[in-house]
Amino acid sequence: DGGITQSPKYLFRKEGQNVTLSCEQNLNHDAMYWYRQDPGQGLRLIYYSQIVNDFQKGDIAEGYSVSREKKESFPLTVTSAQKNPTAFYLCASSIMDRRSSYNSPLHFGNGTRLTVT
Amino acid sequence: AQKVTQAQTEISVVEKEDVTLDCVYETRDTTYYLFWYKQPPSGELVFLIRRNSFDEQNEISGRYSWNFQKSTSSFNFTITASQVVDSAVYFCAPYSLHSGGYQKVTFGIGTKLQVIP
Repeated sequence: DGGITQSPKYLFRKEGQNVTLSCEQNLNHDAMYWYRQDPGQGLRLIYYSQIVNDFQKGDIAEGYSVSREKKESFPLTVTSAQKNPTAFYLCASSIMDRRSSYNSPLHFGNGTRLTVT
Repeated sequence: AQKVTQAQTEISVVEKEDVTLDCVYETRDTTYYLFWYKQPPSGELVFLIRRNSFDEQNEISGRYSWNFQKSTSSFNFTITASQVVDSAVYFCAPYSLHSGGYQKVTFGIGTKLQVIP
């Protein structure tokens, strides 16, 4: 079945360490996104990518980095510069056909809960 | 600027009661698209329904119905005869076309629905 796989489900790191969250999709979607979710808040966009080897900052990109070397993969690195990294991270994808992208829902992975102590 | 408001942070209903989730979307865009997502305790967001700003026809699908009124910028979602499995956080997520075809998604803070057996 097609879908988005995020791993691991839970991740624990010490403060000051970089950590990379994995996101893989087999939906053949061009666009991929990373969101952060904190308690009592909606989802906030970190980074997004419309095509391979290209990505753009979202609303809260500081302290994060991404790469898009393959269409199906969009890993997110939480760097030591991110001041409050503990959160629930969600990866999503969507089609990018300009005729229908406006009407296309986001497909989400199960998320990674990151705890930094 | 765009603003999406989900005024109800938490709602509790007894099983089989009807429940309506409210969403107000304020924007200067004349064309936009409205989506509802459900986030069960497992964490993955699941797409429920979508509507566009030029179609105010209300719809019913099974136990779900939607009431969209462009004049008041409200896009409400009703669950009829609620069930325990409906317990989740529900997000209103308006889309408007951003430059380059990227979907500019604005998520509400979500409404947590608890259905009590």
